[in-house]
Amino acid sequence: NAGVTQTPKFQVLKTGQSMTLQCAQDMNHNSMYWYRQDPGMGLRLIYYSASEGTTDKGEVPNGYNVSRLNKREFSLRLESAAPSQTSVYFCASRKTDTQYFGPGTRLTVL
Amino acid sequence: AQSVTQPDIHITVSEGASLELRCNYSYGATPYLFWYVQSPGQGLQLLLKYFSGDTLVQGIKGFEAEFKRSQSSFNLRKPSVHWSDAAEYFCAVGSGNTGKLIFGQGTTLQVKP
Repeated sequence: NAGVTQTPKFQVLKTGQSMTLQCAQDMNHNSMYWYRQDPGMGLRLIYYSASEGTTDKGEVPNGYNVSRLNKREFSLRLESAAPSQTSVYFCASRKTDTQYFGPGTRLTVL
Repeated sequence: AQSVTQPDIHITVSEGASLELRCNYSYGATPYLFWYVQSPGQGLQLLLKYFSGDTLVQGIKGFEAEFKRSQSSFNLRKPSVHWSDAAEYFCAVGSGNTGKLIFGQGTTLQVKP
């Protein structure tokens, strides 16, 4: 039981490049979430998916897209990366009222 | 609007001393409240949560928190801090329906030997 896994752990992009952050959970949870963490700002919700086939915007969705591929996987895509998207990205899944977090992806955009 | 405030950005305590981390929230209904801990380079681990009932909740690693509705607070406490408690601590309020969490800015705990 691996819980929530994220790939890659680290990534460096140039401005304008695209990439997809992958997230998978093996706990059979319906809801999944993407957050970004910036110093002094805590974690902020980018997008979430209440169930397979549904996605909704969170607090800071601009510049991102998501895909809930199946119940296990929820990916986050940056179509044209900007330096303001330099951050640590966390994926989470939820059982009842508790969220379980992955180890994070540290993204740097030059 | 819902919000969470952690007034202390950085706290330093001596090993063996008691600890209290403050959290204030703004939420229209009965809040779901959480404390998470993040060790350097790691993800977030749930310490404890409050949904209803007894206002003093016990968590892992010897932590406890008290919900005070009149003060809109959910402060985290530990009677004796260990060096391994050095980490960043986040308070969060959750929406029951969607499960979305709103986090505070975090408090970094440093433990002196």
